[in-house]
Amino acid sequence: SQQGEEDPQALSIQEGENATMNCSYKTSINNLQWYRQNSGRGLVHLILIRSNEREKHSGRLRVTLDTSKKSSSLLITASRAADTASYFCAPSYNTDKLIFGTGTRLQVFP
Amino acid sequence: GAGVSQTPSNKVTEKGKYVELRCDPISGHTALYWYRQSLGQGPEFLIYFQGTGAADDSGLPNDRFFAVRPEGSVSTLKIQRTERGDSAVYLCASSLTRTANTGELFFGEGSRLTVL
Repeated sequence: SQQGEEDPQALSIQEGENATMNCSYKTSINNLQWYRQNSGRGLVHLILIRSNEREKHSGRLRVTLDTSKKSSSLLITASRAADTASYFCAPSYNTDKLIFGTGTRLQVFP
Repeated sequence: GAGVSQTPSNKVTEKGKYVELRCDPISGHTALYWYRQSLGQGPEFLIYFQGTGAADDSGLPNDRFFAVRPEGSVSTLKIQRTERGDSAVYLCASSLTRTANTGELFFGEGSRLTVL
């Protein structure tokens, strides 16, 4: 399967806490992308990490990639209620077909 | 507009009817994708275009579904003889460069299709 599998399926935390979600995939990738989807909206690209990168930061987001374990993690630090959304990973291979998993539903309570 | 535009935002139809959903990508984006998303699920890949041609249509569920992009810009997803199981949000996305390189997808807000 070309899709990434996110874990956990759901995550509930308090504002100010950190949220970590994981993504596993099956075969060698070119890059891996993370997207966010607020309820009833389209997906929004968050960050892309190339296969030769191990860590990348963007604001309160930190993404790591371990190609030996075929896994990636997304860390959101100091979470806010506005971070409540579903988060999807999308491994990118030599084709241009991006396949999404079922996502992690993050709920941040004020 | 600056983003991906999808029309209609909501469509209610009766079983057996024909439906067209339109996607207007970001100007200059050569790649265009269609996904379908059911409640609580991730987006399900349907088809993607590079320019005018369908580069991969392996996600189209059956021959009732068809998509075109005749001039390499606007795309129309066509569903014939709609069934209740076709009810979902249909998402369109476009990309400037290949996702296999570093291309990211820009999504529209979706067209919610309800088949009664």
